[in-house]
Amino acid sequence: EVQLVESGGGLVQPGGSLRLSCAASGFSLGDYGMTWVRQAPGKGLEWVSTISDSDDTTWYAGSAKGRFTISRDISKNTLSLQMDSLRAEDAAIYYCARRRAGRLSIYDHWGQGTLVTVSS
Amino acid sequence: EVVLTQSPGTLSLSPGERATLSCRASQSVPRSFLAWYQQKPGQAPRLLIYGVSSRATGIPDRFSGSGSGTDFTLTIGRLEPEDFAVYYCQQYDVAPQTFGQGTTLEIK
Repeated sequence: EVQLVESGGGLVQPGGSLRLSCAASGFSLGDYGMTWVRQAPGKGLEWVSTISDSDDTTWYAGSAKGRFTISRDISKNTLSLQMDSLRAEDAAIYYCARRRAGRLSIYDHWGQGTLVTVSS
Repeated sequence: EVVLTQSPGTLSLSPGERATLSCRASQSVPRSFLAWYQQKPGQAPRLLIYGVSSRATGIPDRFSGSGSGTDFTLTIGRLEPEDFAVYYCQQYDVAPQTFGQGTTLEIK
């Protein structure tokens, strides 16, 4: 059974850093592209970042570029999102999601999310 | 970026009725790379439809998708109590991928 479990969320001050993790089971991260999608309280979904299945190519939304870094540790089957220079508008539930087999950004499995709060 | 506008914002229907949700793109989605997700309160989104009209694994056939170009529709043939949720469309054709703002389907 495919499972994704996020962790690492919490309260951080503006300008601070946080590292989110997503532990995958039931499949190998090396075989699938993975993505982070966030959802601000009471708002819709926003794509944040994707890492490819094959060569670790990464893509970022404009709001994340230069501040966030997506990575994966295949030996631990864990996806990460390093978030630096956090802003109030980064507050959201962060979901990791598995990209369906192939190169298209269709997300067939999601974690339950981890909440990031940015406040002084 | 491609802006997806979903309508209506809220749809109030009764179980057994048919639901029609719209997703309009600000520019063409040329390869029909459009998906629909369902999200219930406190839960993660769930993939329903991809490629405009292909149902994801385990999705009942009362869910169907259609459309092309800039106008897309999710139809739920006969509403079950568990279908009342928020629905999002997503285009993954033109970078960056984007999501609509959602349609809330509520029980009338």
